[in-house]
Amino acid sequence: AQTVTQSQPEMSVQEAETVTLSCTYDTSENNYYLFWYKQPPSRQMILVIRQEAYKQQNATENRFSVNFQKAAKSFSLKISDSQLGDTAMYFCAFMNPVNTGNQFYFGTGTSLTVIP
Amino acid sequence: ETGVTQSPTHLIKTRGQQVTLRCSSQSGHNTVSWYQQALGQGPQFIFQYYREEENGRGNFPPRFSGLQFPNYSSELNVNALELDDSALYLCASSLVLSGDETQYFGPGTRLLVL
Repeated sequence: AQTVTQSQPEMSVQEAETVTLSCTYDTSENNYYLFWYKQPPSRQMILVIRQEAYKQQNATENRFSVNFQKAAKSFSLKISDSQLGDTAMYFCAFMNPVNTGNQFYFGTGTSLTVIP
Repeated sequence: ETGVTQSPTHLIKTRGQQVTLRCSSQSGHNTVSWYQQALGQGPQFIFQYYREEENGRGNFPPRFSGLQFPNYSSELNVNALELDDSALYLCASSLVLSGDETQYFGPGTRLLVL
């Protein structure tokens, strides 16, 4: 079975600073996808960024970037220039389309608070 | 482009009752997945529907069942409700075999079982 571990239950960051959220996963597969989702207090899960395992280049989306270390099975999210609207739960997720039927495996989440 | 919608937003039931939750997928998507999210936890996969058939199931008992309709909307049915079924139920849609396997989530239905 695939497992996703987020070892930081809670984090905080000053507005305009940079913060990194950690995620590790366990799989024997070679082809898979990784995602970071954001769930604000209003609860709708929003995609932040995605990474295909076959791509060596780290994904970036504006202020959000990832550090994907395939050999270490690590997928951290860096948020630059943190904004108050970044306050939310962040979930790391894994998906292997071939062997897990597009099922997403989620970590337990990291609660991020941006402090004014 | 219409996003994923779910109804109702909140629901209160008593133990032993049955409940039906509904989901409309994002336009152009052909697959719907259902997740259960207990308080303070990450979502847990219940099952997925593709072409109106179940296409994968998580570790949930048979009293959790579902349907997908020709317009790709979906229902989640839970029979014989238990207190532990209290959770946020999330629906997510995607376009399988498109090369973009991203799942897009609805706002969820908060179910409370008393």
